[in-house]
Amino acid sequence: SQTIHQWPATLVQPVGSPLSLECTVEGTSNPNLYWYRQAAGRGLQLLFYSVGIGQISSEVPQNLSASRPQDRQFILSSKKLLLSDSGFYLCAWSGGTFNQPQHFGDGTRLSIL
Amino acid sequence: GQQLNQSPQSMFIQEGEDVSMNCTSSSIFNTWLWYKQDPGEGPVLLIALYKAGELTSNGRLTAQFGITRKDSFLNISASIPSDVGIYFCAGHTGSYNTDKLIFGTGTRLQVFP
Repeated sequence: SQTIHQWPATLVQPVGSPLSLECTVEGTSNPNLYWYRQAAGRGLQLLFYSVGIGQISSEVPQNLSASRPQDRQFILSSKKLLLSDSGFYLCAWSGGTFNQPQHFGDGTRLSIL
Repeated sequence: GQQLNQSPQSMFIQEGEDVSMNCTSSSIFNTWLWYKQDPGEGPVLLIALYKAGELTSNGRLTAQFGITRKDSFLNISASIPSDVGIYFCAGHTGSYNTDKLIFGTGTRLQVFP
């Protein structure tokens, strides 16, 4: 069966520090991969998605970037964190065809001080 | 970005009661998905719907894909304390083939013993 792993589960970082969140998927090949951010008590905002290695689509202009160095690995990064980057970050995967459900990891709680 | 209109925003019910929530859109959808999110965790897929008029059950949960393709509802029968959480509808719009989901704003469910 397919599984998705996200780490770390929680992270506290100072303003201006770099960021690297990692997501890996097991049990499937050529998945679509997604990064979302969720503000407290709010809905999900799509940040990036990828349909293949090295292919990244950005949904909103922001202080973050994403990379997909391997088929089942998706990384969310920042060179300098802002206070507004605080939130709950979720990685998700779906099958590589259209209209497939997405399956989410357990998320990373990021607090910026 | 585009979001689905999900209602009610929150519900406070007594254990054993039935629950109903719905999502509507001005656009047609190819799929309707229902997720549940527990505090501090990622959303978990409950039910996936792929055809207009489709009615699908998962235990005490029942969901339907509206015949107009612009709405969906989720019913929970005989609620129990572990039903507490935030429920999100989501779907793929029908205007073009897409890998991206549009999410509702969520319904927060509280169940009192």
